[in-house]
Amino acid sequence: DSGVTQTPKHLITATGQRVTLRCSPRSGDLSVYWYQQSLDQGLQFLIQYYNGEERAKGNILERFSAQQFPDLHSELNLSSLELGDSALYFCASSVARDTEAFFGQGTRLTVV
Amino acid sequence: GIQVEQSPPDLILQEGANSTLRCNFSDSVNNLQWFHQNPWGQLINLFYIPSGTKQNGRLSATTVATERYSLLYISSSQTTDSGVYFCADSYNNNDMRFGAGTRLTVKP
Repeated sequence: DSGVTQTPKHLITATGQRVTLRCSPRSGDLSVYWYQQSLDQGLQFLIQYYNGEERAKGNILERFSAQQFPDLHSELNLSSLELGDSALYFCASSVARDTEAFFGQGTRLTVV
Repeated sequence: GIQVEQSPPDLILQEGANSTLRCNFSDSVNNLQWFHQNPWGQLINLFYIPSGTKQNGRLSATTVATERYSLLYISSSQTTDSGVYFCADSYNNNDMRFGAGTRLTVKP
């Protein structure tokens, strides 16, 4: 167990809908990262937060947004969902921006 | 941005064989990590190795930061070693960029 908790584990929703994925980092970790992994693909960096502030942005679509709350948990909001958004979404956390990161078990999103 | 190249892309081994996986970086190595993604999709931390050599059981890793590469050694491979191995490094001390991975299949 990495100590990073993601909920839900699985999510099935229809095209056009909106979902929220939640991530609780390891105790004491200030940095949270979000990644998308499509079928048989590598991990695409979406966005990073550090102590509540956005620090880096990757290939995140405009339909996607995220935030990190004062208690350091983070949420990734995906809206106007398309079939191609079906993927594993991972959250990772680390103590600081340049230290070892640990991943949650992921949320498997299926858009039908 | 930083480019991370992993080789080989695919590797098939007989149980008991040894293997070496490689990761090359286009920029300086900062916070290199190796991960194993098991068949259930979990990403397991193997090594945090910005430089030097570390060993953990049958696995070991070496990073030569000055030459921008890292190697992961798997000895006496087992079927449970199957999965995808990723290396990743931080860019600008912020986001981690991943390689495309090496898919390892260990046959009994």
